Amino acid sequence: DSGVTQTPKHLITATGQRVTLRCSPRSGDLSVYWYQQSLDQGLQFLIQYYNGEERAKGNILERFSAQQFPDLHSELNLSSLELGDSALYFCASSVDVWDSSYEQYFGPGTRLTVT
Amino acid sequence: AQSVTQLDSQVPVFEEAPVELRCNYSSSVSVYLFWYVQYPNQGLQLLLKYLSGSTLVESINGFEAEFNKSQTSFHLRKPSVHISDTAEYFCAVSESGAQKLVFGQGTRLTINP
Repeated sequence: DSGVTQTPKHLITATGQRVTLRCSPRSGDLSVYWYQQSLDQGLQFLIQYYNGEERAKGNILERFSAQQFPDLHSELNLSSLELGDSALYFCASSVDVWDSSYEQYFGPGTRLTVT
Repeated sequence: AQSVTQLDSQVPVFEEAPVELRCNYSSSVSVYLFWYVQYPNQGLQLLLKYLSGSTLVESINGFEAEFNKSQTSFHLRKPSVHISDTAEYFCAVSESGAQKLVFGQGTRLTINP
């Protein structure tokens, strides 16, 4: 158990809908990362937050947005869903941006199925 | 831009045989290198990492990887695999100073008895 929790574990929804995925980082970790794992694209970095502020952005679609709250949990919002958004979404956390161990701890993921 | 290539999508081996999972990367700056393992229906776990120092790094369960700067490689090896090593293995790179990980496509290791 990495200490990173993600809810829900599974999500099935229809095209055009909007969903919110939630992540709670390990206790004490300030940095949160979101990754998408799909059959087509593999594992891709989406976005990183550090202590409530956006830190880095990857291949995140404009239909997707994220935020990190004062209690450090993070939410990934996916809107106008398309079939191609079906994927496993991972959250990871690390101590802070300047942590020299560069170790990220991954949650179990949320499997999103868009029908 | 960084990229990671895992040369084999699947590697079948017999139990107790040696295995090598290949990983090559490209980057114009200094990098840190990682191997993550994903067991069925689970998240990713860090197996080992290279940040600096000795180019040979080891994990607690018998895996090792060697950073080769001239060949831009970070191959993962184990001298004798066990059934419990069945998993998908991901090589990843991050540029020094940045923490986002760029992953390879993954290599599925299957162990046959």
